[in-house]
Amino acid sequence: NAGVTQTPKFRVLKTGQSMTLLCAQDMNHEYMYWYRQDPGMGLRLIHYSVGEGTTAKGEVPDGYNVSRLKKQNFLLGLESAAPSQTSVYFCASSYGGFNQPQHFGDGTRLSIL
Amino acid sequence: SQQGEEDPQALSIQEGENATMNCSYKTSINNLQWYRQNSGRGLVHLILIRSNEREKHSGRLRVTLDTSKKSSSLLITASRAADTASYFCATAFNAGGTSYGKLTFGQGTILTVHP
Repeated sequence: NAGVTQTPKFRVLKTGQSMTLLCAQDMNHEYMYWYRQDPGMGLRLIHYSVGEGTTAKGEVPDGYNVSRLKKQNFLLGLESAAPSQTSVYFCASSYGGFNQPQHFGDGTRLSIL
Repeated sequence: SQQGEEDPQALSIQEGENATMNCSYKTSINNLQWYRQNSGRGLVHLILIRSNEREKHSGRLRVTLDTSKKSSSLLITASRAADTASYFCATAFNAGGTSYGKLTFGQGTILTVHP
């Protein structure tokens, strides 16, 4: 099994451009999450989903949108990229809620120029 | 914020030595989890300890939880060069059933194990 797969792995954008990060999991997990990781900041939750068709805001949702049209996929969109969104983005999934471990992808390294 | 805080920020040891990392948090939790992150990779779950547990073991890993002090420790015994990684604690709390699996991560401890 692949687990959690993120595409692309690297991307460079110009300020104002838009893009979508794709996360796919093959573990039939209900819960999916998007985090960003910045130096000295740990991981911060952007948005999450508790099931197909649901999304909710996390700690730092501004400037991002998400969609969970299929259970296995969780998309993170940047409508108008800003340099402050330069970061490493991680997707994770879990079978249940906070009592379950989260499984992470290997990240997308995004630079906004 | 009830973000966990790890201590020390960085730890450098020789192969074969034990490594201890600590995590402190601010509010009551449901459980506390430890994750490892190798350079350039995603986080890997190590151990989950619930609030009513005091100690858990997994191979060379030992985790303790002291809810009265709001702290946890991760001990790696007989360390190996392959244990070189960043280690994060993450706390989960149930705010009236609305937490939906949200974890709050600390900033991590960078462990370097020299051969």
